[in-house]
Amino acid sequence: AQTVTQSQPEMSVQEAETVTLSCTYDTSESDYYLFWYKQPPSRQMILVIRQEAYKQQNATENRFSVNFQKAAKSFSLKISDSQLGDAAMYFCAYRLSANQAGTALIFGKGTTLSVSS
Amino acid sequence: DVKVTQSSRYLVKRTGEKVFLECVQDMDHENMFWYRQDPGLGLRLIYFSYDVKMKEKGDIPEGYSVSREKKERFSLILESASTNQTSMYLCASTPGAMGSTEAFFGQGTRLTVV
Repeated sequence: AQTVTQSQPEMSVQEAETVTLSCTYDTSESDYYLFWYKQPPSRQMILVIRQEAYKQQNATENRFSVNFQKAAKSFSLKISDSQLGDAAMYFCAYRLSANQAGTALIFGKGTTLSVSS
Repeated sequence: DVKVTQSSRYLVKRTGEKVFLECVQDMDHENMFWYRQDPGLGLRLIYFSYDVKMKEKGDIPEGYSVSREKKERFSLILESASTNQTSMYLCASTPGAMGSTEAFFGQGTRLTVV
């Protein structure tokens, strides 16, 4: 069975600094997707970034980037120039590739990120 | 703007009550999911549905059932609520041909069973 592990229950960063959130996963599959979701106090889950396993290039979205190491089964999220609005719970998630009915996201336990001014 | 709507944001029920949590999506998605979120445990899959009237158990289905009579609506049912079902419940949906499409989530229902 696939599993996702986030080893950092809590992290903190100062405004304008850079922080990296760790995620590892276990799978025997070769074709899958990885996601980072953000959950602010409003509880709404927001997609931060996604990575297709078949792509070697690391995904980036503005201040957010990932370090995807397929052989090591590692998928870390780097937040640059941290802002107060980045404070939230961050979840790493894995999903098998498409064309399988009802394929569900598998989540890690989350990392609470606090940002100080 | 895509939308997944959960009928209640907060709910308080008594032990033994039958509880219905409703979720509606307006994106014509085939797949719908119910997750439970607890501190330190992340999101755990309760049930999912990939078509009308179709359902599959997730990782923690005990004490729950689901209903999907229409494509847009997916209900989670607590047959006899217990205090250990006090939690946050999140509904999500995805299209049938997903590709790298992410799941879209509702705003969550915080259920307290007293």
